[in-house]
Amino acid sequence: AQKVTQAQTEISVVEKEDVTLDCVYETRDTTYYLFWYKQPPSGELVFLIRRNSFDEQNEISGRYSWNFQKSTSSFNFTITASQVVDSAVYFCALSREGGSQGNLIFGKGTKLSVKP
Amino acid sequence: KAGVTQTPRYLIKTRGQQVTLSCSPISGHRSVSWYQQTPGQGLQFLFEYFSETQRNKGNFPGRFSGRQFSNSRSEMNVSTLELGDSALYLCASRHRDNYEQYFGPGTRLTVT
Repeated sequence: AQKVTQAQTEISVVEKEDVTLDCVYETRDTTYYLFWYKQPPSGELVFLIRRNSFDEQNEISGRYSWNFQKSTSSFNFTITASQVVDSAVYFCALSREGGSQGNLIFGKGTKLSVKP
Repeated sequence: KAGVTQTPRYLIKTRGQQVTLSCSPISGHRSVSWYQQTPGQGLQFLFEYFSETQRNKGNFPGRFSGRQFSNSRSEMNVSTLELGDSALYLCASRHRDNYEQYFGPGTRLTVT
């Protein structure tokens, strides 16, 4: 069975601190896709990144970086120098290859609060 | 390019009624997926439509149904509403396989 675990329910940091959101996944598939989405208070899920299982390169996009490690089945997300606008719920998700790609399996989410 | 749009944004219904939610995908996207988000269960997959055909279905009762039209717009229907159906219903569209899903703002359904 496929599963995504985000053990951190809530995290609170002060602006400019770095913060890492953890994501651990379970799957028996050899090909799969991992995602991070941000859900601000408005409710709309905002796509942040997609990573396929064959690409273990870490990625950096501005203040955001992602660390994908197949050996530990983790896909962690780090925000450097956090800002108040980063306050949101962040979801990690997993999908299978092929016809099941429309079915995203989400973790429970981590609520990040960045205080000024 | 316009994003995914969902109508209505808010809806209040009474137990036993039925409801239809609408989703218009990003232009050119042929896949539409629906998700239910509740505080207790989180985000759960309902179903996916691709080129007017249901391709995948989540673990929801038959009261939840959907369809997709030739212009890729999709509707989902919930019959015989229960209090537990109160949720944020999110629609997402995707260009094709191997591409990420983009979500709409959701329809918040309250069942009283």
